[in-house]
Amino acid sequence: AQKITQTQPGMFVQEKEAVTLDCTYDTSDQSYGLFWYKQPSSGEMIFLIYQGSYDEQNATEGRYSLNFQKARKSANLVISASQLGDSAMYFCGITGGKLIFGQGTELSVKP
Amino acid sequence: DVKVTQSSRYLVKRTGEKVFLECVQDMDHENMFWYRQDPGLGLRLIYFSYDVKMKEKGDIPEGYSVSREKKERFSLILESASTNQTSMYLCASSEQGLPFDEQFFGPGTRLTVL
Repeated sequence: AQKITQTQPGMFVQEKEAVTLDCTYDTSDQSYGLFWYKQPSSGEMIFLIYQGSYDEQNATEGRYSLNFQKARKSANLVISASQLGDSAMYFCGITGGKLIFGQGTELSVKP
Repeated sequence: DVKVTQSSRYLVKRTGEKVFLECVQDMDHENMFWYRQDPGLGLRLIYFSYDVKMKEKGDIPEGYSVSREKKERFSLILESASTNQTSMYLCASSEQGLPFDEQFFGPGTRLTVL
């Protein structure tokens, strides 16, 4: 069975600083993918970034990067130069036929 | 842009009522999903469907059923609503894609069962 763990229920970051949201996973599959979604207070889920287990380079999408450490089974999301609009819930997840989501981390960006 | 719409943003029902949550997507996606979201538990998959008239149980199907009569519409049914089904319900759709079947989500329905 696959499992995703996000140990930070809430995080604060100062505007313009970088922040790392933690995510660890467990799977017995050789091939899998890891992803992050953002959920603003309006409720919609927004796809941010994806990393395949065989990808050698860490995935990046604009200000988002996924720090993939396979041996540690971690897939942390790094947001550079935080903006007020980054305040939201962030969900890490793993693919394996279906999507398995973590518990979420609520990020608050302070002006 | 992919658009997934859900019939209601907020819904209040009484215990024992039959509840229908409707989801419609406009991008001809084969796959559709229903999740519930609860604080501290993330999103949990209730049911999903890979084709018309086809359905598969997710991780927490008890107390729910689904219907997919048309490709664009996936309905979640609470046969007899109970207070422990008070939650946020999210619908999503996707198309088989490599390397990742990105799921597109609707805005959610916040259901309260009294």
